[in-house]
Amino acid sequence: DQQVKQNSPSLSVQEGRISILNCDYTNSMFDYFLWYKKYPAEGPTFLISISSIKDKNEDGRFTVFLNKSAKHLSLHIVPSQPGDSAVYFCAASGFGNQFYFGTGTSLTVIP
Amino acid sequence: GAGVSQTPSNKVTEKGKYVELRCDPISGHTALYWYRQSLGQGPEFLIYFQGTGAADDSGLPNDRFFAVRPEGSVSTLKIQRTERGDSAVYLCASSPGHPNTGELFFGEGSRLTVL
Repeated sequence: DQQVKQNSPSLSVQEGRISILNCDYTNSMFDYFLWYKKYPAEGPTFLISISSIKDKNEDGRFTVFLNKSAKHLSLHIVPSQPGDSAVYFCAASGFGNQFYFGTGTSLTVIP
Repeated sequence: GAGVSQTPSNKVTEKGKYVELRCDPISGHTALYWYRQSLGQGPEFLIYFQGTGAADDSGLPNDRFFAVRPEGSVSTLKIQRTERGDSAVYLCASSPGHPNTGELFFGEGSRLTVL
């Protein structure tokens, strides 16, 4: 049972434009959400996080939005750069000791 | 280096063999996680250590899988009687603080192929 879902396996965006990656979750007990970025043959690296007490967190070109009522979060990257091309994983935690990951969205930023 | 180190980076074995995968976490990190990532999937939780003890092993798929962390630092994931379905990238991550908050620092993974 997939508790964290990323329904878009891939996304292509022109350099300089906004990239929007989406994530949905099913468990209302989740209270902490993270985005990870993964390049081929490397482990995931932390990008940005948000606590459920907030609805927005911004770090440079990256902003995460959380809509608790819809159980939805999104990652906005603006402006997108070719180096942002990677697989992005959404993750959630809130009970037990696990982080639950989505299946990932492969972002391609076209120069 | 200062990051999470995993060895071997690649392991090819035959069905039925025994495999050990090693993880050396970031120094001082008390929390250590093992995840498994199959092709086209996200990382799937296997086991979590806080110090030397396995605080949560609910993700281990069956009793062929076992992990230890005897001195609270290096951890070894052990897989007995490997099956083709065990083929995946096994990721180790460590964290300095309390679970459920903060980021996990991942290693590059050990790619296991069972023929």
